[in-house]
Amino acid sequence: DQQVKQNSPSLSVQEGRISILNCDYTNSMFDYFLWYKKYPAEGPTFLISISSIKDKNEDGRFTVFLNKSAKHLSLHIVPSQPGDSAVYFCAASAYSGAGSYQLTFGKGTKLSVIP
Amino acid sequence: GAGVSQSPRYKVAKRGQDVALRCDPISGHVSLFWYQQALGQGPEFLTYFQNEAQLDKSGLPSDRFFAERPEGSVSTLKIQRTQQEDSAVYLCASSLVRVMNTEAFFGQGTRLTVV
Repeated sequence: DQQVKQNSPSLSVQEGRISILNCDYTNSMFDYFLWYKKYPAEGPTFLISISSIKDKNEDGRFTVFLNKSAKHLSLHIVPSQPGDSAVYFCAASAYSGAGSYQLTFGKGTKLSVIP
Repeated sequence: GAGVSQSPRYKVAKRGQDVALRCDPISGHVSLFWYQQALGQGPEFLTYFQNEAQLDKSGLPSDRFFAERPEGSVSTLKIQRTQQEDSAVYLCASSLVRVMNTEAFFGQGTRLTVV
């Protein structure tokens, strides 16, 4: 059973427009949510995060929104740039009960920003 | 080095062969995580080390998988008698602190193909 879901495998956006990537989760024990960006042949790179006690976090062109009642979060990129083209993973953190916090990842959304 | 280093980058193994994958974390990082990423999927947790102690191995798929970090720095993930379903990218991440959120850095991964 997938606890973190990214239902859109891909998204195409025109340069300068807004990109909105969505993520849903099922486990109410998640206390931290993160977005990672991944280029081909590279490891995931941390982008932005949000604590479960907040509903918005902004960092430059990137904003993450969290709706706990709907168990939904989204990443907004404004304005989108060609260099933003990558696979974006939504991840959620919870204490594993075995001494660590584990990250549970979604399957990713491939964003293509068209010049 | 400046980042997390994994070797080899690519490994082709015949079914039944044993393999060893190496991770050099960022110097001084206490926490080390191994993740497995199958094609088209998000990374899935395998195991966690805090210094040399393996505190969580709940994600290891079978007893053919074994990980160690004897001196609290370099870690090795060993897979015995490889099967085709072991084909995946194996990612290592390290973190200065115990909690894996913004402080975690991923390596480029080792792509294992079992033929």
